[in-house]
Amino acid sequence: NAGVMQNPRHLVRRRGQEARLRCSPMKGHSHVYWYRQLPEEGLKFMVYLQKENIIDESGMPKERFSAEFPKEGPSILRIQQVVRGDSAAYFCASSPQRGYNSPLHFGNGTRLTVT
Amino acid sequence: TQLLEQSPQFLSIQEGENLTVYCNSSSVFSSLQWYRQEPGEGPVLLVTVVTGGEVKKLKRLTFQFGDARKDSSLHITAAQTGDTGLYLCAGAVAQGGSEKLVFGKGTKLTVNP
Repeated sequence: NAGVMQNPRHLVRRRGQEARLRCSPMKGHSHVYWYRQLPEEGLKFMVYLQKENIIDESGMPKERFSAEFPKEGPSILRIQQVVRGDSAAYFCASSPQRGYNSPLHFGNGTRLTVT
Repeated sequence: TQLLEQSPQFLSIQEGENLTVYCNSSSVFSSLQWYRQEPGEGPVLLVTVVTGGEVKKLKRLTFQFGDARKDSSLHITAAQTGDTGLYLCAGAVAQGGSEKLVFGKGTKLTVNP
């Protein structure tokens, strides 16, 4: 399977816990994007990373959220001290080059539920 | 405020009918993409349009990019039940010093047998 892999598919956390969402991009893709989707809403941009670099994090909340894309291994979106409002589907997408003229390939998302 | 407005928000039709969904904005986009998303899955790219006035066809789907690159439409001919899904448009726009891909809220299409 050469597609974008996200895990876990479903994640349940109690308020105050930490959530770690993982994304392995398509082979050969070094650009990763994270989006959040609420019911009946479009996808909201959160962060754009290249290997070892955060390129644009203007969509990330200033507190509790962080993202990384290390030299080896998957990209991680980390949410500390989760609150009910963090419940959403989080999608990762990858592309082979910078810019949006090349298509984004999305994973099937992680559905986070905060109880 | 929503940068990209999609209409209608919901559409339920019978198999064999034709339909058009719209994606409108007051902003100019360097490119515009259409995606289809099914429940429990990520969006899948259908097409990218780049040039104002461009028309692209993908089997029974016809995509048009407005001359001013501010709007787009998707027309489906003889809809099939397999066309059911959420259709999202997304525009590449300079925002906050960098280029971003901004999504509309989508049109949820149901094709009934």
